[in-house]
Amino acid sequence: EAGVAQSPRYKIIEKRQSVAFWCNPISGHATLYWYQQILGQGPKLLIQFQNNGVVDDSQLPKDRFSAERLKGVDSTLKIQPAKLEDSAVYLCASSAEQGYVSEQYFGPGTRLTVT
Amino acid sequence: RKEVEQDPGPFNVPEGATVAFNCTYSNSASQSFFWYRQDCRKEPKLLMSVYSSGNEDGRFTAQLNRASQYISLLIRDSKLSDSATYLCANSGAGSYQLTFGKGTKLSVIP
Repeated sequence: EAGVAQSPRYKIIEKRQSVAFWCNPISGHATLYWYQQILGQGPKLLIQFQNNGVVDDSQLPKDRFSAERLKGVDSTLKIQPAKLEDSAVYLCASSAEQGYVSEQYFGPGTRLTVT
Repeated sequence: RKEVEQDPGPFNVPEGATVAFNCTYSNSASQSFFWYRQDCRKEPKLLMSVYSSGNEDGRFTAQLNRASQYISLLIRDSKLSDSATYLCANSGAGSYQLTFGKGTKLSVIP
């Protein structure tokens, strides 16, 4: 079974530029998550989708971050304009909830450096 | 109090040793618990899920203590390949969202 796919793997941009990340979840997984992981920290949830609807985006900095999952499969996370503090790894995860069971599987991440 | 707390370590243990990590959580409504392993510059990989009192998989044992609100991970007969950061995560009642700790770094030394 193919895992979660993400691209690009690495991105270097200057502050105030924009950037977009793409994620394709495991086939059949209805729920998709975007996390931000800053060096030395655990992943922090940015947004959760169930199919193509947003379940929770309370921790998404909406003045600069946006995300969509138009057809309920792959998703795009965008940052515009980027700040230095956005330097982090952006991880996408997916899960197939069955009752209360929800095991999330992560993609390889996109390592963003903002200079 | 942070939602999920872990001792960052590092834990430096010799090969063959038994090592245990604890993870405390503040949300008493948490229902599901997970241990993830994260290698340097890699994504977290699911190691174990804990939905009741505990779980065991080979050399790895996870135990949940709801009264004291902590979950532990025990690794027996440590291998060099066990060197990684171990992340604890939980999800609340009716929610599939995970809250992660900062991770505990383990180095297994020859």
